[in-house]
Parts: sequence; structure tokens; C-alpha cells
Amino acid sequence: DSGVTQTPKHLITATGQRVTLRCSPRSGDLSVYWYQQSLDQGLQFLIHYYNGEERAKGNILERFSAQQFPDLHSELNLSSLELGDSALYFCASSSSVSGNTIYFGEGSWLTVV
Amino acid sequence: QKEVEQDPGPLSVPEGAIVSLNCTYSNSAFQYFMWYRQYSRKGPELLMYTYSSGNKEDGRFTAQVDKSSKYISLFIRDSQPSDSATYLCAMSAPGNTPLVFGKGTRLSVIA
Repeated sequence: DSGVTQTPKHLITATGQRVTLRCSPRSGDLSVYWYQQSLDQGLQFLIHYYNGEERAKGNILERFSAQQFPDLHSELNLSSLELGDSALYFCASSSSVSGNTIYFGEGSWLTVV
Repeated sequence: QKEVEQDPGPLSVPEGAIVSLNCTYSNSAFQYFMWYRQYSRKGPELLMYTYSSGNKEDGRFTAQVDKSSKYISLFIRDSQPSDSATYLCAMSAPGNTPLVFGKGTRLSVIA
């Protein structure tokens, strides 16, 4: 158990809908990262927050947004969902801003039908 | 050319074999190198962490980094069926740069 908690573990939703994925980092970790994993693309970095502030953006679509709250939990919002958004979404956390070692949660498996 | 290349396998070995997993990379700024193990539909688990060049050993696992060749390796000695998983290499440059992952190599250790 990495100490990173993600909910929900599984969700199925229809195209065009919006979902919110939630992440609680390890106790004391200030950095939260979001990754998307699909079969053909591997693990793709989406976005990084450190202590409430956005620090880096990767290949995150405009339909997706994230935030980190004062209690350090984070949410990833996915809207206008398309079939191609079906993937495993991972949250990871780190104690530092540079994040050379990050610890992953168990992921949220999103299926868009 | 992708920043990190990793042979996806699958790689199938008998129990007790020595396994060699490899990644190549193109970004000479990478200084931090990691190996993660991922069981099916689970989160990646940090296995090994190495800074810059050299070797690091932890039990049956040895990580090697050759920065001159831009090549990193993970060796697993006395492989066990429980080692069957996907192994992902990851690396990053100094500063606030996110980890870049290889696509992973799927390993099966047959009893």
C-alpha cells in the first residue's frame, strides 16, 4: 500500500458526460501528479500540483482540469467525455517539488461507452 | 525519436533465470532513473532509484545506469513467478520536470 488513495476505483459513463476523480496523497506529501495510462500510449503525464499551485502541465486536454485543495487532496475533472478517454487514471504523490521519486495510487479505471 | 524507448516484450523466462530489462533514452539532461513494477491493473510500485551513473543493488534486483550510452538496465536474479509483472523505466532531469516513462516490458516467469 503506497498510502495514496484514489476514488472511485471503477466508473462507467456515457460519451459527453463529466466525471471527477479524487486523490488523497501520502501523509505529508505536498506534490500531486496525475497520469493517464492507456494500452497504446503507456503512462502519460497530465499535470503536477505542489502545495495548491500548478507546477507543470503535460499532455492534458482542454476538456480536462485539475486542482489541489488546501487539505492537499486533488481532483481531476474530465468533461465532454469521448470513447478515447477510456483509460486508467493514476494519481501519484511526492514529498518534494522535484518529484524524483513518486508513489502511485491504485488508479481509477474509466470506461466511456 | 521518443525520449524513452523500452522493448514491450512480452518476455517469458523459466523460474530461477536471470532477467535483463533495458531502456534507452535520448535526453542527456536525465539524471534520475527509476524502475517501477506494475501488476495487472494496479498502480506502479517504485522498485529501484538511481541517481546519475553506476550500479545499485537491492536483494535480487540490480539497477545499472550508463549515461555515456544513454542506457539503463534492471537485472533480476533467481526470478520467481511472483516477479511476473510489467516493468517500467522512468527518468527525469533536475529541477521541476516530471518523470518520463517507458511503455513497459511485460515479464512472465514460468514455474
